[in-house]
Amino acid sequence: AQKVTQAQTEISVVEKEDVTLDCVYETRDTTYYLFWYKQPPSGELVFLIRRNSFDEQNEISGRYSWNFQKSTSSFNFTITASQVVDSAVYFCALRSSGSGTYKYIFGTGTRLKVLA
Amino acid sequence: KAGVTQTPRYLIKTRGQQVTLSCSPISGHRSVSWYQQTPGQGLQFLFEYFSETQRNKGNFPGRFSGRQFSNSRSEMNVSTLELGDSALYLCASSSGLAGNTDTQYFGPGTRLTVL
Repeated sequence: AQKVTQAQTEISVVEKEDVTLDCVYETRDTTYYLFWYKQPPSGELVFLIRRNSFDEQNEISGRYSWNFQKSTSSFNFTITASQVVDSAVYFCALRSSGSGTYKYIFGTGTRLKVLA
Repeated sequence: KAGVTQTPRYLIKTRGQQVTLSCSPISGHRSVSWYQQTPGQGLQFLFEYFSETQRNKGNFPGRFSGRQFSNSRSEMNVSTLELGDSALYLCASSSGLAGNTDTQYFGPGTRLTVL
């Protein structure tokens, strides 16, 4: 079965703190893709990053960084020096072929509140 | 490139009515997926259309249906609306192809309120 678990329902931090959002996935496929999306209060999910299962290199984009570890089936997202504009719901997703036709499986999301 | 567009953005209906939502994907994308998002249930997958055929389906009753046209635009229909259908309906477009190029891009959503 394929599954994405985001155990943190809500996190509150004070501006400038670093915060890590956890994502644990399950799949039997050897080829799969992992994603992070941001959903600000406006509602639209904004694509942040895609990672394939063969690329375990960590990625940094400005204040955002992602740590992909196949050994622990995790794809965690860290925001450094958080800002109020980072307040949003963040979703982790898995694209996996599973039973033949691939699907996107989303986690339940983590609501991040960054307080001024 | 224009993004994913959804119309209408807001909709108010009464119980028992039916509603049709529209989604225009990014140019060149052939896959359109629909999701329902509610505070209680989170983001739930409704169905995916690829080249006018339903390719994947979530666990929703038959009142929820969709279709895709030859230009990849998609419509979603909900018949006999219930109060619990009040939600944000999100459409996502992607190439629909296997491989590293496929990423879902979302539209702004249609917020449906059923009274």
